[in-house]
Amino acid sequence: DAKTTQPNSMESNEEEPVHLPCNHSTISGTDYIHWYRQLPSQGPEYVIHGLTSNVNNRMASLAIAEDRKSSTLILHRATLRDAAVYYCILRDVNYGQNFVFGPGTRLSVLP
Amino acid sequence: NAGVMQNPRHLVRRRGQEARLRCSPMKGHSHVYWYRQLPEEGLKFMVYLQKENIIDESGMPKERFSAEFPKEGPSILRIQQVVRGDSAAYFCASSHSDRGGKSGELFFGEGSRLTVL
Repeated sequence: DAKTTQPNSMESNEEEPVHLPCNHSTISGTDYIHWYRQLPSQGPEYVIHGLTSNVNNRMASLAIAEDRKSSTLILHRATLRDAAVYYCILRDVNYGQNFVFGPGTRLSVLP
Repeated sequence: NAGVMQNPRHLVRRRGQEARLRCSPMKGHSHVYWYRQLPEEGLKFMVYLQKENIIDESGMPKERFSAEFPKEGPSILRIQQVVRGDSAAYFCASSHSDRGGKSGELFFGEGSRLTVL
């Protein structure tokens, strides 16, 4: 699986939008971009994933650069409950293999 | 529909004892993954199993660790002769198929926290 690079930590104010960046310059054409998050003392949970087009769901939006070398997870209105470690992961659609978690971005939300 | 169930949630063992961690995947899921998370660190892949088969164990330590996913019953991660360095949170995840890239989702349990005294 290709490598991703994320900032170690970010801060946001409550009820403001948050843009979490991820660089993946070595992404291949068959790599899906996945985002998971891990709340304190819990297991990771799925947030969103995409291949080429921007994606929206009830939790977040995923904006994918045209060259696919970077992407941004967008939380439209951060809440205190969104404080977590966010992981950006690439996974080849053709391989039944594990998800490789990097260190992720630790998001703090200030009231 | 129950999620991924792991038990025990907390386990304390003395050095040299055995630890058995159980994982029941979501209903209908036949693919199970085990991850380990050391304190203040990220998740590290250990093993990927399908029913009765180990597909990828590239993240498993060569000694003392084993995993199984029998035809009936939960997946078991077994750690023999535990040492203090085994203290960690062990997470299990399941998926419907190995084409996770299309379905996009692994479902994780709450984890089992092993403490070795």
